[in-house]
Amino acid sequence: EIVLTQSPGTLSLSPGERATLSCRASQSVSSNYLVWYQQKPGQAPRLVMYGASSRATGIPDRFSASGSGTDFSLTISRLEPEDFAVYYCQHYGMTPPWTFGQGTKVEIK
Amino acid sequence: QVQLQQSGPGLVKPSQTLSITCDISGDSVSSNSASWNWIRQSPSRGLEWLGRTYYRSKWYNDYAISVKSRATISPDTSKNQFSLQLNSVTPEDAAVYYCAKGGSGWTVAIFDSWGQGTLVTVSP
Repeated sequence: EIVLTQSPGTLSLSPGERATLSCRASQSVSSNYLVWYQQKPGQAPRLVMYGASSRATGIPDRFSASGSGTDFSLTISRLEPEDFAVYYCQHYGMTPPWTFGQGTKVEIK
Repeated sequence: QVQLQQSGPGLVKPSQTLSITCDISGDSVSSNSASWNWIRQSPSRGLEWLGRTYYRSKWYNDYAISVKSRATISPDTSKNQFSLQLNSVTPEDAAVYYCAKGGSGWTVAIFDSWGQGTLVTVSP
């Protein structure tokens, strides 16, 4: 089973700043099967990015994803107030089980 | 737009059965291009995929090893819903439980729609 490790645990930034979140896999995986979710307090996770660099419906273009092999990142180019949340990466293959990282909290500095 | 609405008790006694239902609107539980999943979230385990049901000419199920012996995920085509039953619960099963829609093929585990979550407490 692939283990995903996200860093940092918490990212303290100001609105307008750039956020770069890391997700490291315990073995090489395809970026096509790396997904990112956003979760706000009291809400279910929301799909943000999938398929290496595709944004989900309604996700603004300040969100982007990149990476290959074992190292992946989610970048928010200019933080808006609504972007402060916890972000999870997820890897999947064609058969389960499917695993999630432990999350990175992006908080207002 | 798919919407998932969960229902079920939030309090379960130890050793009893947890049962949660997920009503689907905007899609069909019998869709050949979707899968219907249960995922839970707790401070100790984080986000944990539990299992899924899906229809591809017949019904299939998959379960996480951690719950395989205790979990049953069932579709109900007459009500367009699916459910999770987890037997013999312990305090370790306390979590927020989510239903979520996945796809098929290369989108099989891209969860693009989620229920609102059910907070389950395990207590006498």
